[in-house]
Amino acid sequence: AAGVIQSPRHLIKEKRETATLKCYPIPRHDTVYWYQQGPGQDPQFLISFYEKMQSDKGSIPDRFSAQQFSDYHSELNMSSLELGDSALYFCASSFGKSYEQYFGPGTRLTVT
Amino acid sequence: GQQVMQIPQYQHVQEGEDFTTYCNSSTTLSNIQWYKQRPGGHPVFLIQLVKSGEVKKQKRLTFQFGEAKKNSSLHITATQTTDVGTYFCAGPLGGGTSYGKLTFGQGTILTVHP
Repeated sequence: AAGVIQSPRHLIKEKRETATLKCYPIPRHDTVYWYQQGPGQDPQFLISFYEKMQSDKGSIPDRFSAQQFSDYHSELNMSSLELGDSALYFCASSFGKSYEQYFGPGTRLTVT
Repeated sequence: GQQVMQIPQYQHVQEGEDFTTYCNSSTTLSNIQWYKQRPGGHPVFLIQLVKSGEVKKQKRLTFQFGEAKKNSSLHITATQTTDVGTYFCAGPLGGGTSYGKLTFGQGTILTVHP
């Protein structure tokens, strides 16, 4: 079965640089979520989109922005990267907002 | 703020022993979900509980949702080495239309010794 695709899987950036993470949800899933997971931490909700509109916002820094495109894929744009942004970034998708979420393999971002 | 508390943080068991992790929310939940994350992997959905007092079983795993819909538990019978990983509960604490805005518990790291 098709799963959530994330790219790139690994990304190394320097402080103050920008990064773009991409997420391709499971086909026919209309909701996309972004989470940040630090080492040994639980996933922290960043932002979500339902039918290409932002539906919920969590602890997402103002330096980050995201959008969902007409083909339902989503991108998380991160600017002025800081060392503390180093983490695993997961994208998840679901059919509808109140159902189980299927996580992608994650993008490991390292900021040096 | 709204929180989901999960205990214990760590659990070490011998293969064949049982394992239970508990989850408590500061507010009533419309539903609770359980995820498993293997080391180096991503969270994998296990189950969603919706009804007050609901009990669901998946082979050796038993999930319960409290009567007040504020607590939940996951019980594994006769653990196997394949059960190793971190088990998270998660609930939509955003309220309103924030059904998908999951707040995760801290997770319970399960280690199984053969």
